[in-house]
Amino acid sequence: DAGVIQSPRHEVTEMGQEVTLRCKPISGHNSLFWYRQTMMRGLELLIYFNNNVPIDDSGMPEDRFSAKMPNASFSTLKIQPSEPRDSAVYFCASRAEGGQYFGPGTRLLVL
Amino acid sequence: QKEVEQNSGPLSVPEGAIASLNCTYSDRGSQSFFWYRQYSGKSPELIMSIYSNGDKEDGRFTAQLNKASQYVSLLIRDSQPSDSATYLCAVNSQGGSEKLVFGKGTKLTVNP
Repeated sequence: DAGVIQSPRHEVTEMGQEVTLRCKPISGHNSLFWYRQTMMRGLELLIYFNNNVPIDDSGMPEDRFSAKMPNASFSTLKIQPSEPRDSAVYFCASRAEGGQYFGPGTRLLVL
Repeated sequence: QKEVEQNSGPLSVPEGAIASLNCTYSDRGSQSFFWYRQYSGKSPELIMSIYSNGDKEDGRFTAQLNKASQYVSLLIRDSQPSDSATYLCAVNSQGGSEKLVFGKGTKLTVNP
């Protein structure tokens, strides 16, 4: 099993630019989660999907953030426009019986 | 606001000792409890899950759950330098929900 796949692994962009993060969950996992991790705030849930349907987006910080899951094997998290305070590591995780399994993360730096 | 609290550490133990990591949570309705290990610069890795009061053992790891006192702990026996990492406690936020709330983690250092 390849595990959760995320791309890109690193992203450096300038303030105001659009950023798109991508995730491929583990095959057969029905739930997908997007997290953000910073030193100050720790690991925070942004949004999660079950069977491709958004269930809880209460953690999405503001309208600049949007997420989609067009099919069971792909999800995107988009930030438009990006700001320096969005700099963080963004993780995608998928869930099976027994817990959530994380991808390697995307390290985002907004200058 | 559902909270999960952990001592940030750092917790330092000698090689071969038992490391004890603790976590408290605020939501009495929580039913699922997890421990993740995160090496510096890496993603969280699931190491233990526990759902019922009592102990659950897996190799050198033992998770302990006490719902009445709202705490969950992780014991690492025969600690190794390779166990040096940050350990994150996670609790489902509402009974039956898939949504997890994570503590900020305890940094463990095992000294050779």
